[in-house]
Amino acid sequence: GAGVSQSPRYKVAKRGQDVALRCDPISGHVSLFWYQQALGQGPEFLTYFQNEAQLDKSGLPSDRFFAERPEGSVSTLKIQRTQQEDSAVYLCASSLVWAGGPRETQYFGPGTRLLVL
Amino acid sequence: EDKVVQSPLSLVVHEGDTVTLNCSYEVTNFRSLLWYKQEKKAPTFLFMLTSSGIEKKSGRLSSILDKKELFSILNITATQTGDSAIYLCAVGKKYSGAGSYQLTFGKGTKLSVIP
Repeated sequence: GAGVSQSPRYKVAKRGQDVALRCDPISGHVSLFWYQQALGQGPEFLTYFQNEAQLDKSGLPSDRFFAERPEGSVSTLKIQRTQQEDSAVYLCASSLVWAGGPRETQYFGPGTRLLVL
Repeated sequence: EDKVVQSPLSLVVHEGDTVTLNCSYEVTNFRSLLWYKQEKKAPTFLFMLTSSGIEKKSGRLSSILDKKELFSILNITATQTGDSAIYLCAVGKKYSGAGSYQLTFGKGTKLSVIP
């Protein structure tokens, strides 16, 4: 596809359930990012992959959050034992490279809106 | 702690008006500043700025960066209802270890253009 795609677009979970959110980046993009966006706030960084390597996970809020990108393309963000405070939009972005002029521009997917009841 | 502050937080204008959105930042190892437009979906890229004083322009939108005073502005002339959105400013950093890779976003400016 031409852009970043994410699925599901909406997810309702009961507190304590595990969820898995999927991101398909733009083909050929080396860098992949996950962000969390609460209502009325800007996106906040969660984690970064360069190909299959997770180079930065400093933004993951707790050890209930886990992300992987095993083959360097599709990525999954997993949240275990969801809590109400996990309710947010989870955005995925990809770029050709991490840093290097126009090639570092991050292109965002439509997001997954997670609601934990 | 890195900080990106946008102002105003919300703005209502009439079609045809010109608006200026502000973004100030305090970020160690600054590399780039980006503007995004967010409607009810993915943020869409507008501009990336790395050098001071060089205006970037795309149609009715333009942006400029001042690295000495640590701010950027986004101008929209002859606004249209389709410009209604949240405008996000984000800053990227040079590599200096863990935590370098992220874009740090402001809270956004919600622009409403009324006919």
